[in-house]
Amino acid sequence: DAKTTQPNSMESNEEEPVHLPCNHSTISGTDYIHWYRQLPSQGPEYVIHGLTSNVNNRMASLAIAEDRKSSTLILHRATLRDAAVYYCILIEGAQKLVFGQGTRLTINP
Amino acid sequence: GAGVSQTPSNKVTEKGKYVELRCDPISGHTALYWYRQSLGQGPEFLIYFQGTGAADDSGLPNDRFFAVRPEGSVSTLKIQRTERGDSAVYLCASSLNRWHTEAFFGQGTRLTVV
Repeated sequence: DAKTTQPNSMESNEEEPVHLPCNHSTISGTDYIHWYRQLPSQGPEYVIHGLTSNVNNRMASLAIAEDRKSSTLILHRATLRDAAVYYCILIEGAQKLVFGQGTRLTINP
Repeated sequence: GAGVSQTPSNKVTEKGKYVELRCDPISGHTALYWYRQSLGQGPEFLIYFQGTGAADDSGLPNDRFFAVRPEGSVSTLKIQRTERGDSAVYLCASSLNRWHTEAFFGQGTRLTVV
């Protein structure tokens, strides 16, 4: 399975944008980039996914580098409810999500 | 129901006993996944079903673990001769077909082996 590298933790302030980085230098051409998050005592929750182009949805934006070796999840205006562990995951023919350690995001009021 | 349902939410069992964990996926979802998560770790893949068959069981740690999905909907994860190291949160997820669509996770079953 292709590997991703994320910072262990990040901190931001409420109502400010948050940029969560993910490095995936060994990504292959058919790997999709998925982001999930896990709130305390909850199962993981889908956030967004993309292949090559930047993607936007109601929760977040995904910015994918031109060479696809890195991506950034953008929360445009963080709220306290966004405090969670964020996982960046690559998926291809393996047909399964392989979770790493993720980034623990803390939001300060 | 609207989401993935897992029962029980908590299970305490004695070492050496047999346990069954149940997952009710979202209606119409053909893909179903089991994960387990230890404290402070990311979820660890166990097994994936497409319909009734196990498409990938490479994550099952040993032959004490077994999962079934006989009618292509509800799935049961079975653990024989439980050990203290099996204590974890067991998560189930379902998706419409494969991972390139959104996967929905249940709240998990917290298994404690004493």
